[in-house]
Amino acid sequence: GAVVSQHPSWVICKSGTSVKIECRSLDFQATTMFWYRQFPKQSLMLMATSNEGSKATYEQGVEKDKFLINHASLTLSTLTVTSAHPEDSSFYICSATRRPTGHYGYTFGSGTRLTVV
Amino acid sequence: QKEVEQNSGPLSVPEGAIASLNCTYSDRGSQSFFWYRQYSGKSPELIMSIYSNGDKEDGRFTAQLNKASQYVSLLIRDSQPSDSATYLCAVNNDMRFGAGTRLTVKP
Repeated sequence: GAVVSQHPSWVICKSGTSVKIECRSLDFQATTMFWYRQFPKQSLMLMATSNEGSKATYEQGVEKDKFLINHASLTLSTLTVTSAHPEDSSFYICSATRRPTGHYGYTFGSGTRLTVV
Repeated sequence: QKEVEQNSGPLSVPEGAIASLNCTYSDRGSQSFFWYRQYSGKSPELIMSIYSNGDKEDGRFTAQLNKASQYVSLLIRDSQPSDSATYLCAVNNDMRFGAGTRLTVKP
């Protein structure tokens, strides 16, 4: 159990366009999901906490208007990178957990490699 | 002080040796402890969870929890080159990871 599906696994987009990444919990309900970004050879950086039915909580320094997060249901959170630029090229990963939050550990999606050209 | 601290490594061990990874935490009330493994270019995966003092074994992996001293360790016995990865420690639902410990197992 505890499978998280992330789509797409990779995407190439033109500078100035927007890209949507989906994260789904397939066999459990996730009231909380997390979104990360990871640059090559660097550590995972938590971008935001996605809460079902409410606004996401962004980490300091992450632009909420650029990285739009929507957690419309208990099994789906989306991250939209708006007006993407080459510096947004990175590996984006989501994670989710079963309830009670914090007890079961988190399952990560397989990640989305974004390249902005 | 960070809430969770990990020995940053890198750690290099020969094949067949025991690799020991350590993590300390500051919140005495912490209840849940996790180890994740991240291969280069891949997303992390949960490999061990521990909730009670003592040892928890799963194959070649042993998690050790000492709440009095506020540390949790991961031992990898008979290390294999395939264990080479970055290992991340997490406590409760704090999902802000540090750099983790990069382990290299040399053939």
